[in-house]
Amino acid sequence: EAQVTQNPRYLITVTGKKLTVTCSQNMNHEYMSWYRQDPGLGLRQIYYSMNVEVTDKGDVPEGYKVSRKEKRNFPLILESPSPNQTSLYFCASSLFRASSYNEQFFGPGTRLTVL
Amino acid sequence: AQSVSQHNHHVILSEAASLELGCNYSYGGTVNLFWYVQYPGQHLQLLLKYFSGDPLVKGIKGFEAEFIKSKFSFNLRKPSVQWSDTAEYFCAVNAGAAGNKLTFGGGTRVLVKP
Repeated sequence: EAQVTQNPRYLITVTGKKLTVTCSQNMNHEYMSWYRQDPGLGLRQIYYSMNVEVTDKGDVPEGYKVSRKEKRNFPLILESPSPNQTSLYFCASSLFRASSYNEQFFGPGTRLTVL
Repeated sequence: AQSVSQHNHHVILSEAASLELGCNYSYGGTVNLFWYVQYPGQHLQLLLKYFSGDPLVKGIKGFEAEFIKSKFSFNLRKPSVQWSDTAEYFCAVNAGAAGNKLTFGGGTRVLVKP
């Protein structure tokens, strides 16, 4: 089944304790992206990647890191989480063609609470 | 930078009532437009999309949306809602030159009372 998976689905942690949220897709998509969802603000893009070893900042990258060593995986790293990073996080993937938009497929979300 | 506004944050209505959710965007060039739905506890699902052609687009579950270029709007409608339409709805825009980036509105929570 074609899908985007995220782990963990729920996480409660404390300020300053490094964590990684994994994202994996099995559709051979070039493009992957991370969003955070906050009430009243919709989804905002954190980072995106157009292919292996190619990543770039989205609209709200502060406090986050990503890596794209393999095509299927795009982990989100919080080196020193803070309470303002408490949010619902979504990973998405799609094909990438520079001349056109390609539909993004979203993962199930990871609810993160930073105490 | 482009932005997307959804005018209603919360909507409460009864079954069989008609629904219309407003969405306006700020971008002067070519855009691709989307409505997503998020049912309680679930991830985003694409309801419908507009790329070009007929400005009235039909999506899944009886939803439709109309693109009015002069008003920079892409409003979502459903003639008769059901209790199962209770969800949060997001309008999203992809600017033609922005690759695959989506810019989302703040979302509208819809509660349909049985």
